[in-house]
Amino acid sequence: GDSVTQMEGPVTLSEEAFLTINCTYTATGYPSLFWYVQYPGEGLQLLLKATKADDKGSNKGFEATYRKETTSFHLEKGSVQVSDSAVYFCALSSNQAGTALIFGKGTTLSVSS
Amino acid sequence: KAGVTQTPRYLIKTRGQQVTLSCSPISGHRSVSWYQQTPGQGLQFLFEYFSETQRNKGNFPGRFSGRQFSNSRSEMNVSTLELGDSALYLCASALESVNYGYTFGSGTRLTVV
Repeated sequence: GDSVTQMEGPVTLSEEAFLTINCTYTATGYPSLFWYVQYPGEGLQLLLKATKADDKGSNKGFEATYRKETTSFHLEKGSVQVSDSAVYFCALSSNQAGTALIFGKGTTLSVSS
Repeated sequence: KAGVTQTPRYLIKTRGQQVTLSCSPISGHRSVSWYQQTPGQGLQFLFEYFSETQRNKGNFPGRFSGRQFSNSRSEMNVSTLELGDSALYLCASALESVNYGYTFGSGTRLTVV
C-alpha cells in the first residue's frame, strides 16, 4: 500500500543553519504531497503542499519540490530560527488512500540559539 | 475566523467505559476527518465524513464510530475502552477534500486507566 518514509530524528541545529528533512513516498498514480508541522501541545498545521510533479510548495521560508523521478518531497529552509522547533510530518493523499492522509512518522527539529 | 474546535481537551476514562469526542469544523467546511496519534503508531486515519455521510474509513475496530450532523459538527465514539486507546485524537476539516489541505484542531488527549 501507499506509504511515506521520513528521516529519523531528532534533528538538532543552531540558529541560522540550513535545514533538510528527507521524505520519500511509495504510491501508485500521482499523489498529492504535504508537509505539516506540530508545535508542542497543538494540532497539526499545514506548512506547504504540492499536487503534481515538479511543483514547488513554499511557506514561511520553507520549500519542498515534488520529484516524481525520485519519489521525494524533501523539506528545506535556508536559515532556521528557534521558533521553528517542532515536529514535521510529511504526508500524501492518493487514489488508493481516498480522502485519507498517510503520514510519515514525523521528524523532531530542535533549534538552539 | 474560528479554527477547528475540539472538546474536551483532556479526558481520563476507565477501561470498559465509552467516550464521545466532539469536533466543530471551520465554518463552511463540509469534510471532517478524525486521526489517532500515538508515539508508537504515529498518525493513523480513523474516518472521514462529508455531508453527514461516512466517505472513508481506516483500519480500526468497530468500537470506533463517528457521525456528522447537518451543521457539519462531528462526534466520534469509542466503546469498551482499552488501555491501547490512550492517544491524542485529532479532528481535521476541509472545504471539500484532503487536497484542499486540512485544518487540524488541537486535539483531545484521552487517557485510559
